[in-house]
Amino acid sequence: DGGITQSPKYLFRKEGQNVTLSCEQNLNHDAMYWYRQDPGQGLRLIYYSQIVNDFQKGDIAEGYSVSREKKESFPLTVTSAQKNPTAFYLCASSAPGQNTGELFFGEGSRLTVL
Amino acid sequence: QKEVEQNSGPLSVPEGAIASLNCTYSDRVSQSFFWYRQYSGKSPELIMSIYSNGDKEDGRFTAQLNKASQYVSLLIRDSQPSDSATYLCAAPSKTSYDKVIFGPGTSLSVIP
Repeated sequence: DGGITQSPKYLFRKEGQNVTLSCEQNLNHDAMYWYRQDPGQGLRLIYYSQIVNDFQKGDIAEGYSVSREKKESFPLTVTSAQKNPTAFYLCASSAPGQNTGELFFGEGSRLTVL
Repeated sequence: QKEVEQNSGPLSVPEGAIASLNCTYSDRVSQSFFWYRQYSGKSPELIMSIYSNGDKEDGRFTAQLNKASQYVSLLIRDSQPSDSATYLCAAPSKTSYDKVIFGPGTSLSVIP
């Protein structure tokens, strides 16, 4: 079945460590997004990409990095520079020609910094 | 003013009642709107989209858009306990159309 796969679902990290969250989609979607959600809050955009080898910063890109080497994959690295990385991370994609705003989400990755 | 704003709630309605969820927006977003439902601990799923003034109905859900008042709402008729979730309003940024902005969400609780 087509969909978006995020891994790992749960991740624990020590302060000062970089971690990479995986996002893979087999929907043939061009656009991919990373959002962060904190308890009781909405989604804040970290990075987004409309095409392979190109991506743009969202509203809270500091302390994060991404790559888009393949259409199917959009990994997010949470670096040690991110001051408060504990959050729920959501990857999404949208179809070519689809109205922007119609997003399909993965199941999310929950990161906890110890 | 933030681009997309919602009352955080919680909003509580009895089973069978109409739940009304509201969203206001600024001039910084384009006038296409999307409602997502997010169950606790899960990821959001798209339930409604609306692009023009007026009402759009889909089953028990009705989205309403009033561009003059910069107001979009989601009505849920015959509310069920399974509708208990957080509802997120979203819209593309006007300056960067590929950038999708979400409101903070409204928590809805349907009481049996």
